[in-house]
Amino acid sequence: YVLTQPPSVSEAPGKTAKITCGGENVGSNRVHWYQQKPGQAPVLVIHSDTDRPSGIPERFSGSKSGITATLAISRVEAGDEADYYCQVWHDSDHRGVFGGGTKLTVL
Amino acid sequence: EVQLVQSGAEVKKPGESLKISCKDSGDSFPNYWIGWVRQVPGKGLEWMGIIYVADSDTRYSPSFQGHVTISADNSISTAYLQLNSLKASDTAMYYCARRQVGTTWFDYWGQGTLVIVSS
Repeated sequence: YVLTQPPSVSEAPGKTAKITCGGENVGSNRVHWYQQKPGQAPVLVIHSDTDRPSGIPERFSGSKSGITATLAISRVEAGDEADYYCQVWHDSDHRGVFGGGTKLTVL
Repeated sequence: EVQLVQSGAEVKKPGESLKISCKDSGDSFPNYWIGWVRQVPGKGLEWMGIIYVADSDTRYSPSFQGHVTISADNSISTAYLQLNSLKASDTAMYYCARRQVGTTWFDYWGQGTLVIVSS
């Protein structure tokens, strides 16, 4: 079970940053996304491919096509700089897996 | 309000064992799953295993099976992660996280417990 993310993504303030998560398991499982800022625990920002938990800004959105899921952060700002991880759960053998993480830099 | 509170940082010697706790102060136990996640310094998140607190049904990642033991005491709303025969490579931050029944994501996380293994 492997989820592949780009190690880093950079974007200018005000633009839309996109982070991808790919793998054979993506198409058949719901994908969830977490934000982790330095020295802090992860925070859920998107679950079930596209759903945003209460309290997460509308600027965060998720999508999926085939075996690739995407986290998009519109009007990106300095406070969005963090590591972002995708995650799926395999019901067949009750196992979780995380992507390798993507460091978002706001230029 | 859901709040998972983990035990404090630990410094251990190689070969020793350690038990980390994760207490739910928001009274959501026992009808939730509690998962454990490792993060080696500077690296990504690794799923270690998960326990359903109500009946202690436990599943492990193959990468950690045999090296860790996950348990829970729902009478005190606490889950545990025991690390056996510690090695320097076990030095990491360990997080507990809650997963609601019927979902596949972790909605609340503990603050993390730093474990340092050094001779």
